[in-house]
Amino acid sequence: GQQLNQSPQSMFIQEGEDVSMNCTSSSIFNTWLWYKQDPGEGPVLLIALYKAGELTSNGRLTAQFGITRKDSFLNISASIPSDVGIYFCAGSLDSNYQLIWGAGTKLIIKP
Amino acid sequence: DSGVTQTPKHLITATGQRVTLRCSPRSGDLSVYWYQQSLDQGLQFLIQYYNGEERAKGNILERFSAQQFPDLHSELNLSSLELGDSALYFCASSAEGWTEAFFGQGTRLTVV
Repeated sequence: GQQLNQSPQSMFIQEGEDVSMNCTSSSIFNTWLWYKQDPGEGPVLLIALYKAGELTSNGRLTAQFGITRKDSFLNISASIPSDVGIYFCAGSLDSNYQLIWGAGTKLIIKP
Repeated sequence: DSGVTQTPKHLITATGQRVTLRCSPRSGDLSVYWYQQSLDQGLQFLIQYYNGEERAKGNILERFSAQQFPDLHSELNLSSLELGDSALYFCASSAEGWTEAFFGQGTRLTVV
């Protein structure tokens, strides 16, 4: 089925580094969502974006809804060990349409 | 705690068998979604129900079926199980008019 292009697929970073990941789509969306999944757990919603150009923060996490409505970015500042996991983006036109999911970005912190 | 409850947490069964996974959505949520996640893979959307009616269908095999009951809980039935059906199965729910889906802890199905 349709998928978003999420990159990078995985990231190896040092503790304290900033992290950036993004999602792009060939279709426009009216909502972008970012989730984090810990191993063996269900995805947890981190940030929801509803408006083109919107920039929203949740602690050390900041996400942006691209102006073209076809992309979104997630930044994590000063990464810590508990940031390890898989980050998923998801987009939708509205609540009447199903969410379209990215393949995930796996974040690994180098010891 | 997302408020979405899935049972059982783990399930081990043999090939050819049939199992039922259960999901209780967050209080008041009318939409229920089922996803499959194989090892180190992304989330594959299976099916969505809204207030008892099927609303959207994804990559759901004919051997799989689901339903949503009047009390809004949902069940995913998997039959003629194959080794490749081993995966995490997630249920999620969302409120009327909202896109955000809240996920349960998942059921880990192992087919041996």
